[in-house]
Amino acid sequence: QQQVKQSPQSLIVQKGGISIINCAYENTAFDYFPWYQQFPGKGPALLIAIRPDVSEKKEGRFTISFNKSAKQFSLHIMDSQPGDSATYFCAASKGNYQLIWGAGTKLIIKP
Amino acid sequence: NAGVMQNPRHLVRRRGQEARLRCSPVKGHSHVYWYRQLPEEGLKFMVYLQKENIIDESGMPKERFSAEFPKEGPSILRIQQVVRGDSAAYFCASSPSSMIGGNTEAFFGQGTRLTVV
Repeated sequence: QQQVKQSPQSLIVQKGGISIINCAYENTAFDYFPWYQQFPGKGPALLIAIRPDVSEKKEGRFTISFNKSAKQFSLHIMDSQPGDSATYFCAASKGNYQLIWGAGTKLIIKP
Repeated sequence: NAGVMQNPRHLVRRRGQEARLRCSPVKGHSHVYWYRQLPEEGLKFMVYLQKENIIDESGMPKERFSAEFPKEGPSILRIQQVVRGDSAAYFCASSPSSMIGGNTEAFFGQGTRLTVV
């Protein structure tokens, strides 16, 4: 019940395309859903986060879609660029610090 | 304006030795969190500390692992008598106030990659 399942494990997208990464959770008590971006050799950096009282949040080219009834949330990267190539992690928690992390998606944007 | 500094970046230890991982939080941050990341996996919470106090260590193995965040100096994650299964990347994060129930973001260091041979 504590798991967060992330898919796909890896993703290749052409430059300018839309990258979509999906996550599903079980624990209905979760109230905080962040996405992190991690470049090789670096620590994760918070990209965007959402709480369950909204269904969508957009920041620049990054959008989180949240479906509370299906217990799913996804990250959309519009107009994907080579600089977006990184590993992306979804996470969930009740409160913020005991984050339960997905396994990660390695995203490659082809020029 | 330095971020979270972790050292060493890479650490190699033989089985049975001790590993000491250091984390200097962002200046002014008094809340520190340690996470472990195995290859191809997400981070797993280990421990949450505030200056001189352990707030939550529920994710840390009861034996061989300990953490501290003294009044002065960096936070230390200590692993005694390391085994091969301890090989992982260990990340430290810090925040200016408690993240519990709030909107405070935690900032991550670059991690220490521990290899046990």
